[in-house]
Amino acid sequence: DTGVSQDPRHKITKRGQNVTFRCDPISEHNRLYWYRQTLGQGPEFLTYFQNEAQLEKSRLLSDRFSAERPKGSFSTLEIQRTEQGDSAMYLCASSLARQGAVTEAFFGQGTRLTVV
Amino acid sequence: AQSVTQPDIHITVSEGASLELRCNYSYGATPYLFWYVQSPGQGLQLLLKYFSGDTLVQGIKGFEAEFKRSQSSFNLRKPSVHWSDAAEYFCAAGEGGSYIPTFGRGTSLIVHP
Repeated sequence: DTGVSQDPRHKITKRGQNVTFRCDPISEHNRLYWYRQTLGQGPEFLTYFQNEAQLEKSRLLSDRFSAERPKGSFSTLEIQRTEQGDSAMYLCASSLARQGAVTEAFFGQGTRLTVV
Repeated sequence: AQSVTQPDIHITVSEGASLELRCNYSYGATPYLFWYVQSPGQGLQLLLKYFSGDTLVQGIKGFEAEFKRSQSSFNLRKPSVHWSDAAEYFCAAGEGGSYIPTFGRGTSLIVHP
């Protein structure tokens, strides 16, 4: 297993366009997180899944954002009608949750989004 | 509200000097605690973690951290810094229930030769 992988690594898009990012977690991990990181800040939580269920969403996740994990494996994060304020690094992480405990989260390399 | 505070935005040390990066958390109960490192344009790599037990935790790359309940702190230390340690360091905490890691704003480590 090569860890958490994200695609693409970089994305430049025009304002108003839709973009979609993909995350493939570590294969045995049932939990998947999305974070956003802007320059000079720590990662900010957006949402997480346990298996295919989306269990929590941050207030940062506006109506233009949607995330899916249809088969409990890979996940996609879509941003509709992108705005310049969406420019950030989008990080995916995964962990293993069982019997009320959770392991540490392992992060992917991130997708750098630039909205022009 | 649950939060993680890293009071130092930048830390500058000379190569070979010791290092301590500060982290304080604000949680009702003892959270899970983590330190991650991030090189420019890269994702986050886990340095060490504290879940329970021994309050002095050893990690990778010669780092260690000490959990102090009375001070709500989880400071990261290294006895001798190498130039390759220059990076951004993030402290994170997660609590029972969702265990979603919440991150501090990070401390940028600059290493002088």
